[in-house]
Amino acid sequence: AQKVTQAQTEISVVEKEDVTLDCVYETRDTTYYLFWYKQPPSGELVFLIRRNSFDEQNEISGRYSWNFQKSTSSFNFTITASQVVDSAVYFCALSEDRAAGNKLTFGGGTRVLVKP
Amino acid sequence: DTGVSQDPRHKITKRGQNVTFRCDPISEHNRLYWYRQTLGQGPEFLTYFQNEAQLEKSRLLSDRFSAERPKGSFSTLEIQRTEQGDSAMYLCASSLDLGRNEAFFGQGTRLTVV
Repeated sequence: AQKVTQAQTEISVVEKEDVTLDCVYETRDTTYYLFWYKQPPSGELVFLIRRNSFDEQNEISGRYSWNFQKSTSSFNFTITASQVVDSAVYFCALSEDRAAGNKLTFGGGTRVLVKP
Repeated sequence: DTGVSQDPRHKITKRGQNVTFRCDPISEHNRLYWYRQTLGQGPEFLTYFQNEAQLEKSRLLSDRFSAERPKGSFSTLEIQRTEQGDSAMYLCASSLDLGRNEAFFGQGTRLTVV
C-alpha cells in the first residue's frame, strides 16, 4: 500500500526566509503522480504542483520549486522568500492509480507559520 | 462562483442522528471525490464517481456511510446513526477524467457529533 510521510509537523520562519518541506513516499507502482497542496485557514485545499514518476526534472514556478528524487523516494518543496500569506498547512500527496486520477494518499501535513 | 460548492459548511448533530452533505462540482468535471479529514491529519480518501458510476467505495469507513451521484452532477454523502468518531471535515473534490488533471476541492463540511 502507498504511504506518504511528512516528518515536519510545524515550521516557523520570518518573512523572506526560504522554507523547505520534506516529503517521503512509499509505493510499489512504477507509475505514479506526486502532488503538493496548500490548505489555508479557510480550509479549501489548493493545488500547487504535480509531478509524474517519469519526470525527475526539477523546476521552479515563481517562488515555488521542487526536488524530486526517485532514488530516495522524496519529493521536497521549497518556498523562496516566504510571505505572511504563505502561512498554511502544506500536504504532499501520491496517486498510484492512473485511471483513478485524483484518488490521493495524503501525508499528515506540515504547518508553515511565516512571521512578519 | 464556479468552484466546488459544499453544503452545509457546518453541521452539529446529536449522536445517532443521520446527516447528509451535498457537493456541487465544477460543471464540466465528470469525476467527483469524497475525502474525510480529522483534526491535524491529512485528508483520507473515501469514494469517487465518474459521472453517476461509483467506481470505488471500499474505503468508505463503515456501512453507515453511503454516497450517491444520481444524475452525474451533484453528489450526496450520508452518514447514518452518527457517532462521535464521525466528527471531522468532509471534503469534496472534482476533476476531469484524465489523470493529468488536478482535483479542485471545496471548502468542506465540518461535522460535529455531540
